[in-house]
Amino acid sequence: EVQLVESGGGLVQPGRSLKLSCVASGFTFSNYGMNWIRQAPGKGLEWVAYISSGSSYIYYAETVKGRFTISRDNAKNTLYLQMTSLRSEDTALYYCARGAYVMDAWGQGASVTVSS
Amino acid sequence: DVVLTQTPVSLLISLGGQASISCRSSQSLVHSNGNTYLHWYLQKPGQSPQLLIYQVSNRFSGIPDRFSGSGSGTDFTLKISRVEPEDLGVYYCLQRTHNPPFTFGSGTKLEIK
Repeated sequence: EVQLVESGGGLVQPGRSLKLSCVASGFTFSNYGMNWIRQAPGKGLEWVAYISSGSSYIYYAETVKGRFTISRDNAKNTLYLQMTSLRSEDTALYYCARGAYVMDAWGQGASVTVSS
Repeated sequence: DVVLTQTPVSLLISLGGQASISCRSSQSLVHSNGNTYLHWYLQKPGQSPQLLIYQVSNRFSGIPDRFSGSGSGTDFTLKISRVEPEDLGVYYCLQRTHNPPFTFGSGTKLEIK
């Protein structure tokens, strides 16, 4: 069974940093591109970042470019999102999702609240 | 950037009825490789989104044939026939054809009468 489990969320002050992790199981992680998608409270879905299977291709939404860094460790079956200079508008549930052209499996999400 | 316009914003459908959701793109979603990377997701209350339809009209594993997708170019439709209670939630379209940002529609909330 494909599983994606996010962790690392929490309450953080504006301007501070936080690192999310997503541990994958049930499939060959190194064969898949991976994404982070977020959902602000009561709002729709926003794609945040993508990394290809071998980390050769990395893309970001303009809203996080220069502040967030996506990375992966294929030996540990783990996807990361390093978030810096956090703002209140980054408050959201952050999902990791498998896939390049199709996101076919999603985790349950990690909650990030940016507030003083 | 590609903009996906979803309509309607909400739907109130009777059990057993049919729902239709439109997703219109500001640009053609035909990729240079000939594929169209327009997908549909359902987010049930309190849950993560789940893939329903990929590449316009292909049902994902385990999705009943009550769900169907159609369309081409810039206009796409998701139809749900014989609506059941477990179909309630928010439906999103997503385009993965064009370079980032990969964009979602704004969502359509399906409620059951």
